[in-house]
Amino acid sequence: NAGVTQTPKFRILKIGQSMTLQCTQDMNHNYMYWYRQDPGMGLKLIYYSVGAGITDKGEVPNGYNVSRSTTEDFPLRLELAAPSQTSVYFCASVDSNSNQPQHFGDGTRLSIL
Amino acid sequence: QKEVEQNSGPLSVPEGAIASLNCTYSDRGSQSFFWYRQYSGKSPELIMFIYSNGDKEDGRFTAQLNKASQYVSLLIRDSQPSDSATYLCAVNGNQFYFGTGTSLTVIP
Repeated sequence: NAGVTQTPKFRILKIGQSMTLQCTQDMNHNYMYWYRQDPGMGLKLIYYSVGAGITDKGEVPNGYNVSRSTTEDFPLRLELAAPSQTSVYFCASVDSNSNQPQHFGDGTRLSIL
Repeated sequence: QKEVEQNSGPLSVPEGAIASLNCTYSDRGSQSFFWYRQYSGKSPELIMFIYSNGDKEDGRFTAQLNKASQYVSLLIRDSQPSDSATYLCAVNGNQFYFGTGTSLTVIP
């Protein structure tokens, strides 16, 4: 049971490049989340999904896009990378029908230069 | 008002002392409450959860919940340098909300 898996772990991008951060979970959780965390700061919600085919904006969605074609996968897309998007990105999932906590992936450390 | 509020700290305690971390929340319908520990550069790690009013103990950790006061706390007894981390409070009501975290340093 792998839990929540994020790839890649590290990435350096040039300004204006695009990339997709991958997130997959094997716990059949219906809710999935993307957060970013800047140094010394708390988690900020980018996007979330309550099930396949349904996504919604969080607190800081600008510059990002998501899709949820399957229960397992929730990729985050950066279309035109900007230095302000340098951060650590965490994916998380939870079964909303339980009182269980969110399970986190190990994170992706992204630098935009 | 934020949904979940924590004192950002930093909180410093000597080794062996009790560390007390506090959290308040705004959604009276919240049903479940969690404490995560996050070491620098790592992902949040669940250390405690509580659903009912009162205290819940697990080893050196005690979570306390008071729904009437909308207050949840975490006590760490016999604090160790390895407890130095940021502690995130999370509340699950209509939505899942995280506090911004309290930085704890345990001084040897």
